[in-house]
Amino acid sequence: GENVEQHPSTLSVQEGDSAVIKCTYSDSASNYFPWYKQELGKRPQLIIDIRSNVGEKKDQRIAVTLNKTAKHFSLHITETQPEDSAVYFCAASNTGNQFYFGTGTSLTVIP
Amino acid sequence: EAGVAQSPRYKIIEKRQSVAFWCNPISGHATLYWYQQILGQGPKLLIQFQNNGVVDDSQLPKDRFSAERLKGVDSTLKIQPAKLEDSAVYLCASSLGIDFTYEQYFGPGTRLTVT
Repeated sequence: GENVEQHPSTLSVQEGDSAVIKCTYSDSASNYFPWYKQELGKRPQLIIDIRSNVGEKKDQRIAVTLNKTAKHFSLHITETQPEDSAVYFCAASNTGNQFYFGTGTSLTVIP
Repeated sequence: EAGVAQSPRYKIIEKRQSVAFWCNPISGHATLYWYQQILGQGPKLLIQFQNNGVVDDSQLPKDRFSAERLKGVDSTLKIQPAKLEDSAVYLCASSLGIDFTYEQYFGPGTRLTVT
């Protein structure tokens, strides 16, 4: 089955700086890569996603890049704000909609 | 549009007891998932349904866990008997279907504590 690895496990940045979280996957059949934000005690919320036919996608301060050849994808948050503090999960999915999650990155934005 | 509903939100039981969780997916969503999220880890898929059929239950501990989705809408997940290591948040999620990779939406989860 698919194996998704995520780094780093914790990340602290100063407010206004950028944050980058990286994930790798093993199954070349994976074709959909969502990112979820999970605040303490709350459900994971989809924040951005990318499909395998696209190399980059941006939504305001959040962007995701995908390198299919290397089987890795990254989340980029620019101009970080304290409300960006949360745990972020990457995931990979294939046709059949089976989702495999990374282990999470705890992001702390220091005011 | 209403989101994925789950109940109860919290449950505390003693080991060897039984417990059941309920999930109501977003209307029209054919695919329903149950995940186990242990503190500090990512969600782990337990079982995936497409309508009332099981797509994947390879990671479901079948000696103690069971799940059903009899009418292809609501679903229940049962643990019998519970162990200490079952303490986790149980998340239900749904998506439109499996013929295309659709977005997945999560419910609020049920936090289970086994003492």
